[in-house]
Amino acid sequence: EAGVTQFPSHSVIEKGQTVTLRCDPISGHDNLYWYRRVMGKEIKFLLHFVKESKQDESGMPNNRFLAERTGGTYSTLKVQPAELEDSGVYFCASSQGWVTSTDTQYFGPGTRLTVL
Amino acid sequence: DAKTTQPPSMDCAEGRAANLPCNHSTISGNEYVYWYRQIHSQGPQYIIHGLKNNETNEMASLIITEDRKSSTLILPHATLRDTAVYYCIVRTSTDSWGKLQFGAGTQVVVTP
Repeated sequence: EAGVTQFPSHSVIEKGQTVTLRCDPISGHDNLYWYRRVMGKEIKFLLHFVKESKQDESGMPNNRFLAERTGGTYSTLKVQPAELEDSGVYFCASSQGWVTSTDTQYFGPGTRLTVL
Repeated sequence: DAKTTQPPSMDCAEGRAANLPCNHSTISGNEYVYWYRQIHSQGPQYIIHGLKNNETNEMASLIITEDRKSSTLILPHATLRDTAVYYCIVRTSTDSWGKLQFGAGTQVVVTP
């Protein structure tokens, strides 16, 4: 079974540019999550999709961040325009359902974003 | 969700058991204890979780005290590949199935 995949693995952009990160969850997983770790800080939750609907977006830092999950499969996270403080590692995770035994979140390898 | 307290770091000799403590004194009855780890440059990896009873899987054992205010993750035979940051996280079973709240974790270094 393929795990969570993320693309690209690294992205270097200049301040003011736009970047789109992609996450492909494990097949059949309804729940998809985005997290990020900025330099020196803890991993922080950004948002949670259930299928194509946003269940919780309380962690999104501001309106420069836009997440979508059209069709309930893969998700994209767009940062527009990027700022220096957006640099960090963005993780995607997926889980199958809402019962504890099936709600383990499986993480992708992350996308390292550097804004210059 | 309850907060957790972990030591910032610990060392362990290869082949020995690693015992990682976690305090969660404000845990409530419907909150589970989860453990994840992050090996350098990889995404967090699920290890184990439990509610009241001790749990064991192929990776580790989880011992939860009777009052549920603390727990210990046991790696029975640590290897160099177990060097990672280990996170103890409590999650409610009601309305917070979503986000995991990571703390600073414990940096475990396994030495030869």
